[in-house]
Amino acid sequence: EPEVTQTPSHQVTQMGQEVILRCVPISNHLYFYWYRQILGQKVEFLVSFYNNEISEKSEIFDDQFSVERPDGSNFTLKIRSTKLEDSAMYFCASNRGAGLQETQYFGPGTRLLVL
Amino acid sequence: GESVGLHLPTLSVQEGDNSIINCAYSNSASDYFIWYKQESGKGPQFIIDIRSNMDKRQGQRVTVLLNKTVKHLSLQIAATQPGDSAVYFCAQPQGSSNTGKLIFGQGTTLQVKP
Repeated sequence: EPEVTQTPSHQVTQMGQEVILRCVPISNHLYFYWYRQILGQKVEFLVSFYNNEISEKSEIFDDQFSVERPDGSNFTLKIRSTKLEDSAMYFCASNRGAGLQETQYFGPGTRLLVL
Repeated sequence: GESVGLHLPTLSVQEGDNSIINCAYSNSASDYFIWYKQESGKGPQFIIDIRSNMDKRQGQRVTVLLNKTVKHLSLQIAATQPGDSAVYFCAQPQGSSNTGKLIFGQGTTLQVKP
């Protein structure tokens, strides 16, 4: 069964450093998403991406964040200068598209710890 | 603003019993609701979904009930097993499309006692 994959599973970084979180969405999916989950809290939307551009972003997704689909399979989230409060689980998700009876499928997540 | 909320943060059941996890929502514009299961250290896993033109949908050992009058949905798990122990989230796309951002509830932790 196809699934969303994410690397790395864990990332530890120093405050102020740049991190890139990587995702490989399900191959025939067209919509891509990043969510985050701070420990013990609910999953929060960060950004959605379709047709090589951002379709929606949340207030959390400020200028320190960027997303990219560098090739036909990868989807990345970059945090340019990490802050302590960026420590969280980051989940990538993908979806085939509007009008289809299918929800968003999530990857296993990357646990980011900013020291 | 829109919100999706769960009634109980923790539910403890005996193995073999049925579990009922509840969720309330405020956004009537979206006609699509999803239940996710999240095991420790893993990503949310799709369980079952339902559209607002239905009141009930059944899967394998799971049933989702939707009451649009009171804006409430529930997830019923039959014959709960230890492997069902996880956090359960209800989620709702913002807007009428299933490609919109998902709004998640706070989650209910289901604990299954052997």
